Parts: sequence; C-alpha cells; structure tokens
Amino acid sequence: QSVLTQPPSVSGAPGQRVTISCTGSSSNIGAGYDVHWYQKLPGTAPKLLIYGNDNRPSGVPDRFSGSKSGTSASLAITGLQAEDEADYYCQSYDSSLSGDVVFGGGTKLTVL
Amino acid sequence: EVQLVESGGGLVQRGGSLRLSCAASGFRFNYYSMIWFRQAPGKGLEWVSYISGRSETIFYADAVKGRFTISRDNAKNSLYLQMNSLRDEDTAVYYCARAAGGSNYFDHWGQGTLVTVSS
Repeated sequence: QSVLTQPPSVSGAPGQRVTISCTGSSSNIGAGYDVHWYQKLPGTAPKLLIYGNDNRPSGVPDRFSGSKSGTSASLAITGLQAEDEADYYCQSYDSSLSGDVVFGGGTKLTVL
Repeated sequence: EVQLVESGGGLVQRGGSLRLSCAASGFRFNYYSMIWFRQAPGKGLEWVSYISGRSETIFYADAVKGRFTISRDNAKNSLYLQMNSLRDEDTAVYYCARAAGGSNYFDHWGQGTLVTVSS
C-alpha cells in the first residue's frame, strides 16, 4: 500500500489530453511538501519529468505539466503520443516517517 | 554528461549477502546526496537508503534497517550498498540516484541492477 495514491491505469488516444492524479495526506502533500513526477519505460531508468510541483527539467516537452492543490497533485499530458506510453510515478516527502521519501504506486498510461 | 552505472546484482541465496556499486561520472560527486531505490517485480518504486555528500547523514527504510549498509567513496566517485541477511522480498531491481541539490527529488538515475534472492 503506497503512501500516495494514484490510479493504476489511464488511457487516451493520440493527440488527446490525459491527467494522472496523486492523492496524499496532511503529513505529505498537504503539509506543503513538493510533488515530483517520474516517467518509467520498461527496462529503463526512471526519468525526472516534473519537479517542485510544476517545473520541467531541460529537455522535457511542454506537453507535460504538473499542478498541486491541497493534499493532491496532478500530471497532465497534452497532445498524447505513442512514446508517452509508460509508467508514471509521483513522489513527495512525508514528515510522519523518518527520512522517508514516498511514492505513489504508479500509473500505467496506455496510448490507444 | 551525468552518468550513474550500477553493478553487483545477481542471484543470491536467502540469508546471503551482496554488495552493490554505483559508479558516478560527469558531476562533482561529493557535492550531492545519493540514494538507493528498488522496484520489486510488479511493484512500485521504494526508497531503500540515503547518504549525504560527506556521509554525515544516513537513513534507511524500515524494511532494510539493520541488514543493509550504505556507504560512499568520494575519491572513487562511487556509492555502495552492502546487503546482508537477504530475504525473498529483497528481490528487485536496485537503482542509484542523485538527489538534486538541496531538494528531495532525484534528477539522475542509473539503469539498475537486478538482485534475485532464491531459496
């Protein structure tokens, strides 16, 4: 059971917009800790997609955007492309746990 | 270019030991905190252990506390994870990652090394 809750799967057709939610609690996202997002393709290393709730590292297309409100955060992907098919993980920090970085369980994005 | 390359994974018997290494290049290694993560088959990402740039601060996840030891050799630009008393549930791909300076996110990850614990 992950500390942060994500839907197991989402899907969309090429060109569409999809969102992935990440729900936490008052000891992590709701406490003001930032949310970060990673993209993971099978057999590859996780790649930082969004940091600090809504910032994109250099090289990440602006089709990817993040937001945070209250105890939740969201990742939005517009103009869906076949290569976006991957697992997406949200990550934050939890003050109720000793030095704990916490992740969501991951969301499998399928491009139809 | 930042590169992180893990090694040392393999098949080990339950109760056995293994030492993972992570070779870093392309950045000032001693400036950055490093962390080990893992992903068990069919499961999500889980943090395992954290070490600050000069090894002053070390954390372990409860699941590995007392069994795993994280260390680093800044002269060799290398990070290590000594894993003892391995259990079935330690079977996973282990990743090393760099903590972005002053933040709790991780901007570069290695490709991972598979550890399989067998009875």
